[in-house]
Amino acid sequence: KQEVTQIPAALSVPEGENLVLNCSFTDSAIYNLQWFRQDPGKGLTSLLLIQSSQREQTSGRLNASLDKSSGRSTLYIAASQPGDSATYLCAAQTGANNLFFGTGTRLTVIP
Amino acid sequence: GAGVSQSPSNKVTEKGKDVELRCDPISGHTALYWYRQSLGQGLEFLIYFQGNSAPDKSGLPSDRFSAERTGGSVSTLTIQRTQQEDSAVYLCASSLAARGAGANVLTFGAGSRLTVL
Repeated sequence: KQEVTQIPAALSVPEGENLVLNCSFTDSAIYNLQWFRQDPGKGLTSLLLIQSSQREQTSGRLNASLDKSSGRSTLYIAASQPGDSATYLCAAQTGANNLFFGTGTRLTVIP
Repeated sequence: GAGVSQSPSNKVTEKGKDVELRCDPISGHTALYWYRQSLGQGLEFLIYFQGNSAPDKSGLPSDRFSAERTGGSVSTLTIQRTQQEDSAVYLCASSLAARGAGANVLTFGAGSRLTVL
């Protein structure tokens, strides 16, 4: 069974800093790797999806990378802002129907 | 609709009662998923629908849990004889397709928060 781990569980940074969130998965036979954001009391918002054949995806200040062979993905956030404060979840899709989620990294950007 | 709608947003019930949670996916999305998120836990897969059929029910935690989808659209998750450990946020997501490497992005609803007293 796919296991997805996110480290650290929580992270606090001052505004303006660049930061990296880590995600690791045990089964490299994935279809894609997705990063989501979850705000308190809200559902998940998709940020980036990296197909298994891709190495990275970029959207604005966000850049996600994927290294299937090592079972790792990173989410890079440039010039962090207080509005980036949220829980970030990664999920590995290994079948037609199943996304395996990590437990998330709770990010706090301090003004 | 424009997004995935879930109702109720909050439900407080007494142990032993039955509850129904509803998900209205994005129009045209054939795949529909139910997940459960307990406090401090990751998302737990419950069930997946492709159209009206549920090829994968492996995540349902017990026979008290059931789900159906009608008309390829709205889905209902039913929990019978609720227990305190059922307390969680139940999230629904939909996508255009769920097969192979071209699987689309999942769009999540805001969730239904269930509290069993």
